Amino acid sequence: GQQLNQSPQSMFIQEGEDVSMNCTSSSIFNTWLWYKQDPGEGPVLLIALYKAGELTSNGRLTAQFGITRKDSFLNISASIPSDVGIYFCAGQGTGNQFYFGTGTSLTVIP
Amino acid sequence: DTAVSQTPKYLVTQMGNDKSIKCEQNLGHDTMYWYKQDSKKFLKIMFSYNNKELIINETVPNRFSPKSPDKAHLNLHINSLELGDSAVYFCASSQVRPSGRVDEQYFGPGTRLTVT
Repeated sequence: GQQLNQSPQSMFIQEGEDVSMNCTSSSIFNTWLWYKQDPGEGPVLLIALYKAGELTSNGRLTAQFGITRKDSFLNISASIPSDVGIYFCAGQGTGNQFYFGTGTSLTVIP
Repeated sequence: DTAVSQTPKYLVTQMGNDKSIKCEQNLGHDTMYWYKQDSKKFLKIMFSYNNKELIINETVPNRFSPKSPDKAHLNLHINSLELGDSAVYFCASSQVRPSGRVDEQYFGPGTRLTVT
């Protein structure tokens, strides 16, 4: 199955810093999703993007659907300790299937 | 009022046994999925059902058999369990719009399977 390249693989940041991560694919996608997974839990949807160029915010989170439809970005502003977790991107093409990125592990140092 | 629920949350069993994991969603979605998350946290789709019909069947050993008795349920049965089957299994659901667009996927809490 297809795998999306997500970077960085891990991040260690100070509380209050902004965070950026991105996801790239060799294929065009119609939908991009961003999830956060806490230890021992299932992924929780953060932001959904449906149109190339779309920029959507959810509190301190902002995500963009790349113009080429082959990438997406997630930014977290003013990070706090509870932002710790693994962030996944997921892309959906013409079928019902979502392909997931390799994940970005975020650690926030108080 | 959990959206996607799975049972059991933990499952420890011996090699060679047969086990089942159950999933239910109360979102009214028409599509359900099973994913496997390995120790490196990579999420890989196994199966997808739309209106009780199998639509995605990735390369998965035929020891894994999904069953969808109705739109709200998708169970996973695993025969002859092997050590390599140890992982976290997630159920998810989504809705396919008439336009073909798939709405966001919602995940269950996961079932951690340990085969000894």
